[in-house]
Amino acid sequence: DTGVSQDPRHKITKRGQNVTFRCDPISEHNRLYWYRQTLGQGPEFLTYFQNEAQLEKSRLLSDRFSAERPKGSFSTLEIQRTEQGDSAMYLCASSPREAGPFYEQYFGPGTRLTVT
Amino acid sequence: AQSVTQLGSHVSVSEGALVLLRCNYSSSVPPYLFWYVQYPNQGLQLLLKYTTGATLVKGINGFEAEFKKSETSFHLTKPSAHMSDAAEYFCAVSAYTGNQFYFGTGTSLTVIP
Repeated sequence: DTGVSQDPRHKITKRGQNVTFRCDPISEHNRLYWYRQTLGQGPEFLTYFQNEAQLEKSRLLSDRFSAERPKGSFSTLEIQRTEQGDSAMYLCASSPREAGPFYEQYFGPGTRLTVT
Repeated sequence: AQSVTQLGSHVSVSEGALVLLRCNYSSSVPPYLFWYVQYPNQGLQLLLKYTTGATLVKGINGFEAEFKKSETSFHLTKPSAHMSDAAEYFCAVSAYTGNQFYFGTGTSLTVIP
């Protein structure tokens, strides 16, 4: 049972460029979450998918951010026109079909984004 | 609304000493509480969780936490610190819908040899 994987692990981009991150959840986990973690802070919720449906979005997810999960498997998070304030670690997590609020989320290693 | 507060952003202990990391929660419904550990440049790993039942929860690597409703606390402890325990520790509460976790700001644990 492989864990949650994320690609790339590191991304350096210039301000104004678009970037896309990929997350592969644990197989058969139908719930997928994206979080953002800035230096010295805990992860902050961005968005949540159940299968291919995006069911919840944080107000942190501005219009420049878009997330997709086609076919309910892997997910992508795209940031358009990146800003220096987007520099952070982007974490993906997944949990199984029967998960409720008492069930843990399994986290990937994260993608560290640096906007110069 | 649900939230957690971690008191002490940095904690230093000597190797072999007691580890105590503090977490207080705020929740209008029975909370589901979690402790995660994060090593440098890695994702978060679950240490333990409290859902219902026994208020003293044992986790991995010798850690445990006690849910105290009267004090709205869920402090993490370990009797004897090891060098490998040096990491960032996050307390979290699950949203009642299960759609997200609310994390604290984290406590960085340093273990002094």
